[in-house]
Amino acid sequence: SQQGEEDPQALSIQEGENATMNCSYKTSINNLQWYRQNSGRGLVHLILIRSNEREKHSGRLRVTLDTSKKSSSLLITASRAADTASYFCATDPSQGGKLIFGQGTELSVKP
Amino acid sequence: DAGVTQSPTHLIKTRGQQVTLRCSPKSGHDTVSWYQQALGQGPQFIFQYYEEEERQRGNFPDRFSGHQFPNYSSELNVNALLLGDSALYLCASSLRPASSGNTIYFGEGSWLTVV
Repeated sequence: SQQGEEDPQALSIQEGENATMNCSYKTSINNLQWYRQNSGRGLVHLILIRSNEREKHSGRLRVTLDTSKKSSSLLITASRAADTASYFCATDPSQGGKLIFGQGTELSVKP
Repeated sequence: DAGVTQSPTHLIKTRGQQVTLRCSPKSGHDTVSWYQQALGQGPQFIFQYYEEEERQRGNFPDRFSGHQFPNYSSELNVNALLLGDSALYLCASSLRPASSGNTIYFGEGSWLTVV
């Protein structure tokens, strides 16, 4: 079963706008990771946030984590056409490296 | 520093055949995991290898097997291929079975089409 569920499933925005994607999960976690996947390619690691962190930044990315609500969000600011991809959150409830993914959010950024 | 490398990138097999996919982990990593990603879905965990032994396994039949070599590289074998095995197979590596804070890196994947 899927641990993470991303919302929305698809998002279409214009270049320069911000994109927000949400992820919900079911069990307790030690950390949550976000990945990007360009069409038909491998997963690129974006950011890892630990359960004792509430917010983390990396360039134009901002990730928040609310363990009380079992949810996380990924914000991409000033989006670019090159940000067009699918974005996945992943958790590791067993804490042994077995990642559980949601179905992802498909982001389309139009020039 | 080479990342996770996988081969082949694409292959086509016939139902009933067997396939072997290969993976070299990122330099310095000793743990390899395999994932299956069907079109439009998120990756699904198949199994994980550490110290040449299978450590964790997902909900996949015994037709899926693997191996890890002393140099930490790994193979995924699938026997008696079914049409439903058509997917992108992703290899991931990390340092030790990833505990909190260990980033897991993925390769570009191997596209398997079963006809």
